[in-house]
Amino acid sequence: EDQVTQSPEALRLQEGESSSLNCSYTVSGLRGLFWYRQDPGKGPEFLFTLYSAGEEKEKERLKATLTKKESFLHITAPKPEDSATYLCAVQASNDYKLSFGAGTTVTVRA
Amino acid sequence: GAVVSQHPSWVICKSGTSVKIECRSLDFQATTMFWYRQFPKQSLMLMATSNEGSKATYEQGVEKDKFLINHASLTLSTLTVTSAHPEDSSFYICSADDRGQNEQFFGPGTRLTVL
Repeated sequence: EDQVTQSPEALRLQEGESSSLNCSYTVSGLRGLFWYRQDPGKGPEFLFTLYSAGEEKEKERLKATLTKKESFLHITAPKPEDSATYLCAVQASNDYKLSFGAGTTVTVRA
Repeated sequence: GAVVSQHPSWVICKSGTSVKIECRSLDFQATTMFWYRQFPKQSLMLMATSNEGSKATYEQGVEKDKFLINHASLTLSTLTVTSAHPEDSSFYICSADDRGQNEQFFGPGTRLTVL
């Protein structure tokens, strides 16, 4: 069974204070690892898909990296508008459904 | 990114009634759509995979007779919660799979409250 573990559960940052979120996973063959952002009361917003170890993707202040066992989402110089829950999900090579982690709730204070 | 809509965005119903939730992919064709539910401060739990023109595949523990899924076209899937009870109150979210990009796009969610 696919497993996704995200840490920490919650992260409180000062504006400008860079940090990283961790997503550890076990899956029977990885088709893709997905990062989403979710604001309260809304559906997840797609951020990145990573496919192979060593791959990196960037979008504004966010950078996602992937190894064979985990992925990191780096937030550089965060702003209050980066406050959200960040979800990690894996997709096995024999299926298209996503298995989600519990998420990391990030709060950025001005 | 592609757009997925859900209707209604929220619904309140009495116990014992049925509620239908629609999920539409607006600018792409989705052969596969997924239905999730999310309880407060918890992550998304997959309920079922909906394939156009065929029966849905339900996850273990999800009652297929209670959560009826229909995927009649490449842009529309519906979830009907039959004989709803207060414990069915939750946030229901659909996603549509754009195979061409291998990305899943999520709808805005539907908040169901059963009194």
